[in-house]
Amino acid sequence: ELKVEQNPLFLSMQEGKNYTIYCNYSTTSDRLYWYRQDPGKSLESLFVLLSNGAVKQEGRLMASLDTKARLSTLHITAAVHDLSATYFCAVQNTGNQFYFGTGTSLTVIP
Amino acid sequence: KAGVTQTPRYLIKTRGQQVTLSCSPISGHRSVSWYQQTPGQGLQFLFEYFSETQRNKGNFPGRFSGRQFSNSRSEMNVSTLELGDSALYLCASSLEPPRSSYNSPLHFGNGTRLTVT
Repeated sequence: ELKVEQNPLFLSMQEGKNYTIYCNYSTTSDRLYWYRQDPGKSLESLFVLLSNGAVKQEGRLMASLDTKARLSTLHITAAVHDLSATYFCAVQNTGNQFYFGTGTSLTVIP
Repeated sequence: KAGVTQTPRYLIKTRGQQVTLSCSPISGHRSVSWYQQTPGQGLQFLFEYFSETQRNKGNFPGRFSGRQFSNSRSEMNVSTLELGDSALYLCASSLEPPRSSYNSPLHFGNGTRLTVT
């Protein structure tokens, strides 16, 4: 079974700082997704990464995918409070199943 | 455009009972997936339906079942509830089975929070 590991599980960072969340997965896949979940809310799609070397950016968030290393990163630039949420990566296998990471709970401190 | 709608939002049941959860996908979406979210196990895949057919099933016991109707609405049923079934159950829809479309992420509903006592 495909395993997806995220780290760190918890991240507390000051406003204005940069940080990276890592997502490692165990078997070959060329489709990786990032989602955001606010407390009590559902998951919101952030990025879809479909090939090796893919890079997507939206505001202060940038996601990348290295399929050879089986690694995706979500980089946060100059964090602001509004980015506080739980971030999940998800890897899709050839059978259409999504496997989610454990999530990274991000708290941005003023 | 209305999002994915799940009902009810909250449920409290006792052990041994059975429960049915409902999901209405985004209009035009034909693929519906179900996930269980718990603090200990995270998000785990239950099953996926497309055109009324179950295409994929996760590693859950047979007490968990589902179905999809001709209008793409879906229900999941859990029989003989156990305390460990307490969780947030999330439904997600997509235009096509996710892999067939290059830009078809899952769109999630707000979930049904099930508490088993």
